[in-house]
Amino acid sequence: EAGVTQFPSHSVIEKGQTVTLRCDPISGHDNLYWYRRVMGKEIKFLLHFVKESKQDESGMPNNRFLAERTGGTYSTLKVQPAELEDSGVYFCASSQGISGAGSPLHFGNGTRLTVT
Amino acid sequence: SQQGEEDPQALSIQEGENATMNCSYKTSINNLQWYRQNSGRGLVHLILIRSNEREKHSGRLRVTLDTSKKSSSLLITASRAADTASYFCAAVSGGYNKLIFGAGTRLAVHP
Repeated sequence: EAGVTQFPSHSVIEKGQTVTLRCDPISGHDNLYWYRRVMGKEIKFLLHFVKESKQDESGMPNNRFLAERTGGTYSTLKVQPAELEDSGVYFCASSQGISGAGSPLHFGNGTRLTVT
Repeated sequence: SQQGEEDPQALSIQEGENATMNCSYKTSINNLQWYRQNSGRGLVHLILIRSNEREKHSGRLRVTLDTSKKSSSLLITASRAADTASYFCAAVSGGYNKLIFGAGTRLAVHP
């Protein structure tokens, strides 16, 4: 089966610009997660979709971040306007079941975002 | 704040030696998972241990869980150069469906 794919793999933008990251989960996986790792620190949870609904968006840093999952398939994460502290690696992951029940997450390779 | 805290932050060993990484967490959990990340790649699930389990094995991996101390350890036996990667523990708290990661342990295995 195809894994989780993320696009682009790298993005370099200037402060104040807009960037949209895309994630295609494994087909059939209802659960989709976004995580971020900044400067070698811990990997932080951003949000969790179940199909097209936001189940938990408690990790979204502020209203400059907007995540969508159209039709419960792929997801996008838009940062507008980008700030320097948004730099980091953004990971998408999907799972068939929920983490609480023990379903492992399948991760994409991440998008490395650099805001200059 | 994040749940998992790995110890040590970095570990350098020779091939054939065992590598032990520790993880502590703050709240009660449903399960705890260990993931591996090779440089520039995504995280790969290694092993899961549930809150009612104390030890689990998978190939050269051995995971222990001590819920009284809120800690877990990952042991890689007979390490290989290909085991060089970052290793993360991730806790799933009761009532939630998200993994809470720590900062990871960078393992370097030298031939």
